[in-house]
Amino acid sequence: ETGVTQSPTHLIKTRGQQVTLRCSSQSGHNTVSWYQQALGQGPQFIFQYYREEENGRGNFPPRFSGLQFPNYSSELNVNALELDDSALYLCASSSRTGGNTGELFFGEGSRLTVL
Amino acid sequence: AQSVTQPDIHITVSEGASLELRCNYSYGATPYLFWYVQSPGQGLQLLLKYFSGDTLVQGIKGFEAEFKRSQSSFNLRKPSVHWSDAAEYFCAVAPVNTNAGKSTFGDGTTLTVKP
Repeated sequence: ETGVTQSPTHLIKTRGQQVTLRCSSQSGHNTVSWYQQALGQGPQFIFQYYREEENGRGNFPPRFSGLQFPNYSSELNVNALELDDSALYLCASSSRTGGNTGELFFGEGSRLTVL
Repeated sequence: AQSVTQPDIHITVSEGASLELRCNYSYGATPYLFWYVQSPGQGLQLLLKYFSGDTLVQGIKGFEAEFKRSQSSFNLRKPSVHWSDAAEYFCAVAPVNTNAGKSTFGDGTTLTVKP
């Protein structure tokens, strides 16, 4: 059973650029949630994907968007990067049945630096 | 809106001493409650969770937490700390009848263990 994997692990971008972060969910999991963790803060919920559709969104602007693929892997896209987007981006997968999900399994994150 | 407060930003304890990390939440009803641990450069790992029932929950690595409804608290405890427990600890809540993927996290408590 493979865990949650994220890529790339580190990247540097400049303001105004676009970035795509990738997440492979744990085997058997059908739900992916994305979080932003700024330095010295707790993770903040960006959005969740279930059955290839967005299933809830936190307080993030539309330039944060995502996708989920038929194999349940997911992408997070951020357009028009701003300095404040510098953070660790965490992906968490879980198995959803009915309205509830079980335990979250986190990847090690993608650290984005915006210059 | 739900919120989580971890009043202690940084705690230092001696190896073998007991530990208590505080967590208070604000929510209109009893939420799902979680404690996670994050080691440097790694993702979050679930230590324990409370959904319902017994208010004292046992987790991995010898940790336990007690839910106190009257105080809106969910404090994490360990009777004897090991050097390997040094890490950052996050308390999180998710509304009942929703899913853990949409959790709200506190800003964390950094634990340092003295030899």
